[in-house]
Amino acid sequence: RKEVEQDPGPFNVPEGATVAFNCTYSNSASQSFFWYRQDCRKEPKLLMSVYSSGNEDGRFTAQLNRASQYISLLIRDSKLSDSATYLCAVRDNYGQNFVFGPGTRLSVLP
Amino acid sequence: EPEVTQTPSHQVTQMGQEVILRCVPISNHLYFYWYRQILGQKVEFLVSFYNNEISEKSEIFDDQFSVERPDGSNFTLKIRSTKLEDSAMYFCASSDPGGLETQYFGPGTRLLVL
Repeated sequence: RKEVEQDPGPFNVPEGATVAFNCTYSNSASQSFFWYRQDCRKEPKLLMSVYSSGNEDGRFTAQLNRASQYISLLIRDSKLSDSATYLCAVRDNYGQNFVFGPGTRLSVLP
Repeated sequence: EPEVTQTPSHQVTQMGQEVILRCVPISNHLYFYWYRQILGQKVEFLVSFYNNEISEKSEIFDDQFSVERPDGSNFTLKIRSTKLEDSAMYFCASSDPGGLETQYFGPGTRLLVL
């Protein structure tokens, strides 16, 4: 079983749409969770950390369900500039390295 | 805003040659990492480095790879004898374990092995 899985995508949505990304992880010892965005041929850039209680940053909301080993990212009122690949990253309790999911590509269309 | 920098941005080399990829992590960070991303694939962990030694490494990080922090600012990844399958984007990252351990990535070095 793959360690971190994401929706395969791509997602093509119109401007203004709400879009949700899902991520599951297999290691129950995982402790820290993050969403990154990656533009084509660029580095991953931190979008938000994911807290147990869920957290919101403007149009972006992240949630964590430890029991189901599931993380989500919701983007409301999507903009053309949101077009990117969204990566889920998980760190376990024993190490510092991140395990990344394969990413879900989003295209926001005018 | 402080950022991770990497040089060179692109490197083309012949199979069997040695390459050194350079990184300058964020100055007050203590953990340093190398990841790679083969075109069209996911970001994969290679190695983490703390207190002047390797703290973790993946199966990818075999004897052909080594890391070094030769001075107070640079962090390098050396590939001793490059193979065609080493062609990838190599990202350096750093983190401050005093915070949320968020990792910040450099812009990457695109390595092409011919």
